[in-house]
Amino acid sequence: DSGVTQTPKHLITATGQRVTLRCSPRSGDLSVYWYQQSLDQGLQFLIQYYNGEERAKGNILERFSAQQFPDLHSELNLSSLELGDSALYFCASSRNSGANVLTFGAGSRLTVL
Amino acid sequence: QQQVKQSPQSLIVQKGGISIINCAYENTAFDYFPWYQQFPGKGPALLIAIRPDVSEKKEGRFTISFNKSAKQFSLHIMDSQPGDSATYFCAASNNNAGNMLTFGGGTRLMVKP
Repeated sequence: DSGVTQTPKHLITATGQRVTLRCSPRSGDLSVYWYQQSLDQGLQFLIQYYNGEERAKGNILERFSAQQFPDLHSELNLSSLELGDSALYFCASSRNSGANVLTFGAGSRLTVL
Repeated sequence: QQQVKQSPQSLIVQKGGISIINCAYENTAFDYFPWYQQFPGKGPALLIAIRPDVSEKKEGRFTISFNKSAKQFSLHIMDSQPGDSATYFCAASNNNAGNMLTFGGGTRLMVKP
């Protein structure tokens, strides 16, 4: 157990729907990162939050949004889902904003039918 | 833009053999090069990392070789074991750009008994 908790583990939904993925970082970690892992794209960085504030943005679609709450847990919202959004979504956390070492959760597998 | 290219995509090695995975990067500002190991159903976990001021780092059976002039680095797994069967990701980050990790496409390693 890495200490990073992601829910749900699996999610199946239909095109056009909206889902929310949840992440609790490791105790003491202030920074949360979201990554998307698909078969043909590898691990793609989506967005980073540090202590409640957005710190960096990667290849995140406008249909996707995220936030980090005062208790430091984070949610990734995916809307108007398309077939191509099917992927593993990983949350990772680190002690501070510029830390090199990321601790990953086990991921949430999203299937869009 | 794929800034870190990883090869091969898959690798089969006999038990006791040497597994070699290669990565090449484009951004000369990268100053931290970690390797992550991912088992099925788990998130990636940090395996070993190197900074460009050294050409080699060894931790047990795992060695990173780094060639700054060629902008390449590789992971060598000596005496490969079936338990090493996993997907390996190289990555790179830049301390002056928030240490955001850019991952390679991954290599699926199978070590045959």
